[in-house]
Amino acid sequence: DAGITQSPRHKVTETGTPVTLRCHQTENHRYMYWYRQDPGHGLRLIHYSYGVKDTDKGEVSDGYSVSRSKTEDFLLTLESATSSQTSVYFCAISEIEGNSPLHFGNGTRLTVT
Amino acid sequence: RKEVEQDPGPFNVPEGATVAFNCTYSNSASQSFFWYRQDCRKEPKLLMSVYSSGNEDGRFTAQLNRASQYISLLIRDSKLSDSATYLCVVSPNAGNNRKLIWGLGTSLAVNP
Repeated sequence: DAGITQSPRHKVTETGTPVTLRCHQTENHRYMYWYRQDPGHGLRLIHYSYGVKDTDKGEVSDGYSVSRSKTEDFLLTLESATSSQTSVYFCAISEIEGNSPLHFGNGTRLTVT
Repeated sequence: RKEVEQDPGPFNVPEGATVAFNCTYSNSASQSFFWYRQDCRKEPKLLMSVYSSGNEDGRFTAQLNRASQYISLLIRDSKLSDSATYLCVVSPNAGNNRKLIWGLGTSLAVNP
């Protein structure tokens, strides 16, 4: 399995608090992605990164920011968590940009109360 | 019409059965197609890519029908370990993982 670690695995937080999720990879892959998975929706891309300090918005980026200061780490921050951000968050990596498999971390279950 | 549609199931089949799922897509210009497998409360994992000529990997066969805009996954000789949700993924172009469109998945339960 690809070396991808997400932390924390579970988190409960209150509305209005900032939250940072971490994705760490040991594969030295250039491309990294943050997805959320919710009932009734397919996986939806929040943000992605195509290199150190190179990031861009995905389909559902409102309320989220990201940073990538090192190849191996991709951080997702909820600036002020809302209940609509209760979800399962997956980080993924890929070696090339297209037509290549995504390898996922094991997810973070976030509950915003 | 949703961009990618799958029958959510569940499909309940006995061990050893053959089962097939379809996934329809709305964008006729779609270039890349994949099947991922997701076990309960786990991350998705690539099962197989779907090529124009179709492809087979052991008990699994994937096919693409561009004229009718669907892809299919056939599982032969089902095992208990095949129980999972199967996600269909479509890309509007071959060079861009950022634009992947994920289906909601088809749930398969293989029973003893």
